[in-house]
Amino acid sequence: EAGVAQSPRYKIIEKRQSVAFWCNPISGHATLYWYQQILGQGPKLLIQFQNNGVVDDSQLPKDRFSAERLKGVDSTLKIQPAKLEDSAVYLCASSPRLAGSGSEQFFGPGTRLTVL
Amino acid sequence: GQNIDQPTEMTATEGAIVQINCTYQTSGFNGLFWYQQHAGEAPTFLSYNVLDGLEEKGRFSSFLSRSKGYSYLLLKELQMKDSASYLCAVKGPDAGNMLTFGGGTRLMVKP
Repeated sequence: EAGVAQSPRYKIIEKRQSVAFWCNPISGHATLYWYQQILGQGPKLLIQFQNNGVVDDSQLPKDRFSAERLKGVDSTLKIQPAKLEDSAVYLCASSPRLAGSGSEQFFGPGTRLTVL
Repeated sequence: GQNIDQPTEMTATEGAIVQINCTYQTSGFNGLFWYQQHAGEAPTFLSYNVLDGLEEKGRFSSFLSRSKGYSYLLLKELQMKDSASYLCAVKGPDAGNMLTFGGGTRLMVKP
């Protein structure tokens, strides 16, 4: 079974530029998550999708971050414009069952973003 | 809200046993996960506890006490490859399967 795929793996941009990350979850997984992990810290949830609907985006900085999962499969996370403090690893995860269950989340390899 | 505390770093010797503690204060609780994360890699699932008690899985065991807001991960017969960060994560009472992660404990295993 293929795992969660993310691209690019690394991205370096200058502040005020825009950037987009892509995630392809495990086939059949209804729930998709985007996390931000700053060096030395645990992952912080940014947004959760159930199929193509948003379940929670309370920690997403909506003035600069946006995410979509139009067909309920792939997802993109965008930052526009980027700030220095956005430097982090952006992790995508998916889980097989509907929200509310105890199912584990499967993580992708992440995209390491450096903002100069 | 959720507040999750873990030690920042621990060091142990190859072949030994190490216990990584996690305490949490939450507005609701629906289970606790432990994940392992090697440097530069994605977190991988280790264990899930929703009821009090010990869950054993090979060299790794996880314990939960809901009344004390406390969990630990026990690693036996430590190997060099166990050097990694160990993340404690609590699932809240909300409608989603959403996790709040602690800062992680970086374990260094020495020969």
